[in-house]
Amino acid sequence: ETGVTQTPRHLVMGMTNKKSLKCEQHLGHNAMYWYKQSAKKPLELMFVYSLEERVENNSVPSRFSPECPNSSHLFLHLHTLQPEDSALYLCASSQDMGVRSPLHFGNGTRLTVT
Amino acid sequence: GQQLNQSPQSMFIQEGEDVSMNCTSSSIFNTWLWYKQDPGEGPVLLIALYKAGELTSNGRLTAQFGITRKDSFLNISASIPSDVGIYFCAGFLTGTASKLTFGTGTRLQVTL
Repeated sequence: ETGVTQTPRHLVMGMTNKKSLKCEQHLGHNAMYWYKQSAKKPLELMFVYSLEERVENNSVPSRFSPECPNSSHLFLHLHTLQPEDSALYLCASSQDMGVRSPLHFGNGTRLTVT
Repeated sequence: GQQLNQSPQSMFIQEGEDVSMNCTSSSIFNTWLWYKQDPGEGPVLLIALYKAGELTSNGRLTAQFGITRKDSFLNISASIPSDVGIYFCAGFLTGTASKLTFGTGTRLQVTL
């Protein structure tokens, strides 16, 4: 149990579908993150929220839309995705954004775009 | 941008053997982190290093912050089957945790 729960664990969607990934953290942390993990590539930071405000958006295509309604929940809304968007999407949280606040990762959502 | 190269990319070892892996950067870092990702799970922090030359242990794991600040090493002693997984290094120079750069990982497989 990592304290960060992601749902669903697996998702298959067509290019015209709209779906959402959900992340919930039970650690009382103030910062939440979305990462993309593709085979043989480093983890790519997508979005960062601190105290429910987006503080970083790393040139992510608009077909990915994050939402952070409160400090415990983070969503990633998906629409009109491309096959190259297939990857493992990891959510993480940390106490704050300081360098000594370690990231706690969820187990990810394995996304397949057909 | 900053790049982290991990070596080796993958390795097969026998149970009981010691393991060494390293991570090198094209630029200096002030913090080095080592994570492990088990199959089907997210990465978990193993060791954090905050000072050049620092040597830190966590059970059978030992990691070192290279003196040049451009590299770090992770050693696992007397490997066991549950050591299987992908080991990631991560580091950054300044700023907030959002500036963390991850390596591409070393995949470790242990044979009995």
